[in-house]
Amino acid sequence: KAGVTQTPRYLIKTRGQQVTLSCSPISGHRSVSWYQQTPGQGLQFLFEYFSETQRNKGNFPGRFSGRQFSNSRSEMNVSTLELGDSALYLCASSPTQGSGKQYFGPGTRLTVT
Amino acid sequence: QQQVKQSPQSLIVQKGGIPIINCAYENTAFDYFPWYQQFPGKGPALLIAIRPDVSEKKEGRFTISFNKSAKQFSLHIMDSQPGDSATYFCAAGGSNYKLTFGKGTLLTVNP
Repeated sequence: KAGVTQTPRYLIKTRGQQVTLSCSPISGHRSVSWYQQTPGQGLQFLFEYFSETQRNKGNFPGRFSGRQFSNSRSEMNVSTLELGDSALYLCASSPTQGSGKQYFGPGTRLTVT
Repeated sequence: QQQVKQSPQSLIVQKGGIPIINCAYENTAFDYFPWYQQFPGKGPALLIAIRPDVSEKKEGRFTISFNKSAKQFSLHIMDSQPGDSATYFCAAGGSNYKLTFGKGTLLTVNP
């Protein structure tokens, strides 16, 4: 089976812009979780989607949002970008809801200037 | 109650040594404890995981020790190799909880 794919792999944006990141889970996996990884804060949970519904949400401002499509592919959007949003954004897929076995993609490196 | 504390932040061992990474959690409702390995430029990869009904689990050279009463668990890497040099993350979660990660340990195995 193909692994989790994320596009784009690298992105440079300026403050105030918005960005959309995409994640395609492993075939058959219905859960997609998003994480932000930074050197200072480590891996922080953003949200989880299962069967097109947001099931869990981390402590991030409303500028961070996501959605999941009927084919389980997911997108996350960050509006009004801030310098502090520069990070590696990781998507993880799982066959089940919750924090069972999660398989991570390679991430999207977002740089905000 | 959702924190997972991981130590040490970094660790250097010689080839063949046994690095040990420790984690402590607070939420007694957590029932799933995985370890992830991350190489530069890659996403984390699931290495090994344990449930609280066992005190130890081995997979190849990797062993998790789990102490439920102390709310601690650790990763041991037997006969470590330079190829094991990576960042290791512990995590804790459960069916009704998101995965909470430790801050990571940068392991360097010298030849």
